[in-house]
Amino acid sequence: DAGVTQSPTHLIKTRGQQVTLRCSPKSGHDTVSWYQQALGQGPQFIFQYYEEEERQRGNFPDRFSGHQFPNYSSELNVNALLLGDSALYLCASSTGTEQYFGPGTRLTVL
Amino acid sequence: QKEVEQDPGPLSVPEGAIVSLNCTYSNSAFQYFMWYRQYSRKGPELLMYTYSSGNKEDGRFTAQVDKSSKYISLFIRDSQPSDSATYLCAMSDVWVQGAQKLVFGQGTRLTINP
Repeated sequence: DAGVTQSPTHLIKTRGQQVTLRCSPKSGHDTVSWYQQALGQGPQFIFQYYEEEERQRGNFPDRFSGHQFPNYSSELNVNALLLGDSALYLCASSTGTEQYFGPGTRLTVL
Repeated sequence: QKEVEQDPGPLSVPEGAIVSLNCTYSNSAFQYFMWYRQYSRKGPELLMYTYSSGNKEDGRFTAQVDKSSKYISLFIRDSQPSDSATYLCAMSDVWVQGAQKLVFGQGTRLTINP
């Protein structure tokens, strides 16, 4: 049984560019959450998708947007990248209260 | 003040020792409590999940929640070098399908020395 998968593993972008990160949830899970983890910090909640809608959002600007597809997979889009967006982006899937994380995408903004 | 406080360590103990990791929180609405283990450059792995107050044991791991003190703990018995990782506490309030935000502590970096 495959767990949560994310792509790509690593990504390098320059300031002002746009990026799309992808996530496939664990089999049987219908809810996807995205988190940002800066170096040495705990993950920070970005938003959560269920039934193809954004259900809850953390304290992140509108430059961060997402989408959930009918097969429950999800994308995170970040526009107008800033140096401070460099971080590990984690996707978590769930069907109840327990969230299971993928390996993350490490984004570096130069 | 952060909603969840966790001592970042680092914490270094000899193999076989009992390890105690702790978090405090300020939001009395939190009722779901988790501990995650994160190896370097990997995603967090769910270790323990507890609803409301009380203790939960799984092998060498024991999670405790004291809601009256707003304090949670994770104990690791007979610690092994493979337990060396960053341990993150996480918690959330009311669960609604598709709307559960986890709030994490900063993480404690633990090293078990052979």
